[in-house]
Amino acid sequence: EAQVTQNPRYLITVTGKKLTVTCSQNMNHEYMSWYRQDPGLGLRQIYYSMNVEVTDKGDVPEGYKVSRKEKRNFPLILESPSPNQTSLYFCASHSTSGSYNEQFFGPGTRLTVL
Amino acid sequence: QKEVEQDPGPLSVPEGAIVSLNCTYSNSAFQYFMWYRQYSRKGPELLMYTYSSGNKEDGRFTAQVDKSSKYISLFIRDSQPSDSATYLCAMSEGGGFKTIFGAGTRLFVKA
Repeated sequence: EAQVTQNPRYLITVTGKKLTVTCSQNMNHEYMSWYRQDPGLGLRQIYYSMNVEVTDKGDVPEGYKVSRKEKRNFPLILESPSPNQTSLYFCASHSTSGSYNEQFFGPGTRLTVL
Repeated sequence: QKEVEQDPGPLSVPEGAIVSLNCTYSNSAFQYFMWYRQYSRKGPELLMYTYSSGNKEDGRFTAQVDKSSKYISLFIRDSQPSDSATYLCAMSEGGGFKTIFGAGTRLFVKA
């Protein structure tokens, strides 16, 4: 089954404690993205990756890091989380067949930073 | 001003009603226009996409794009309780992965 998986699904942490949210896709897609979703603001892109070792900033990259060492994995790293990073996070994998790329989203990670 | 504006609702309609969901945008370079559906505690899933202007129909769903007015719509005919979800419009300049999403409209279809 084609899917995007994220772990953990729920996480409560404290300010300043480094954390990593993992993302993995089994569709052999080259492109992957991270989004955060906040009430009234919709989905905002944090980082995206066009291929292994190729990443770029989205609209809200401050406070986040990413890495893409393997095609299937795209972890999101919060080196020093702060309460304003409390949000619902989605990883997405992009199909590039044809001229349009459809995004397949993971189930989400709900993060609370105290 | 946000690049994409979408009324968050909520929108409540009786079963069988025609639903109209809309977004406006400011970036004239947008060429791909998408509608995603998001059920509670799930990730968004693509419902329909349209390239440039025009209409696209898929079953009970019709997407319309009016680039001259910078306005897109999604119509749902014969709405069902299973259509109750948040609907997100999204747009991109073309073939890329930089996508701008609307805030989402929460829809309730009452049986």
